[in-house]
Amino acid sequence: AQSVTQPDIHITVSEGASLELRCNYSYGATPYLFWYVQSPGQGLQLLLKYFSGDTLVQGIKGFEAEFKRSQSSFNLRKPSVHWSDAAEYFCAVGAMDSSYKLIFGSGTRLLVRP
Amino acid sequence: EAGVAQSPRYKIIEKRQSVAFWCNPISGHATLYWYQQILGQGPKLLIQFQNNGVVDDSQLPKDRFSAERLKGVDSTLKIQPAKLEDSAVYLCASSFGMTTEAFFGQGTRLTVV
Repeated sequence: AQSVTQPDIHITVSEGASLELRCNYSYGATPYLFWYVQSPGQGLQLLLKYFSGDTLVQGIKGFEAEFKRSQSSFNLRKPSVHWSDAAEYFCAVGAMDSSYKLIFGSGTRLLVRP
Repeated sequence: EAGVAQSPRYKIIEKRQSVAFWCNPISGHATLYWYQQILGQGPKLLIQFQNNGVVDDSQLPKDRFSAERLKGVDSTLKIQPAKLEDSAVYLCASSFGMTTEAFFGQGTRLTVV
């Protein structure tokens, strides 16, 4: 069965600084990979997705993520963080088990210092 | 395009009572998910439908939770009887197909007292 690990529970960065959120997955083949963002009291919004092809994918709000097969990772990056980026970020893996499943990591809460 | 609609947004009930949540997915989306998100955790898949059939319900506590999607469109999730540990946000999501991205509703925050 697939699993997703987000090793950082909280990350604090200064506004304007760069950001990298880590995501590692466990699955025998290449899964579908997603990053979602959740603001307080809101549902999850898709930032970006990887299905195949170019391993560097661009998303909304200036985010990008890179799929590294050798490291089973799909880390999220942003070159310059804005205060409005403060939220909870979830990595998700879609893969076939007994059926197709979309499984989420435990999330990383991003705090932005002014 | 209208998003995933969920109701109610908030619900407070006493333990051992019953509660139902409703979800209307994006038009044309065949796959519908119900997730439970406990405070501080990631969403946990409870049940997944493909049209009106159940694809996966392996993590649904079937002694107290039930869900249906009778006409392959909207869905209801019921808890009967509720326990304190059921306090969580219940998220509904839909996707066009099983392997495409899922779109989420705003969720229903359930508090069991």
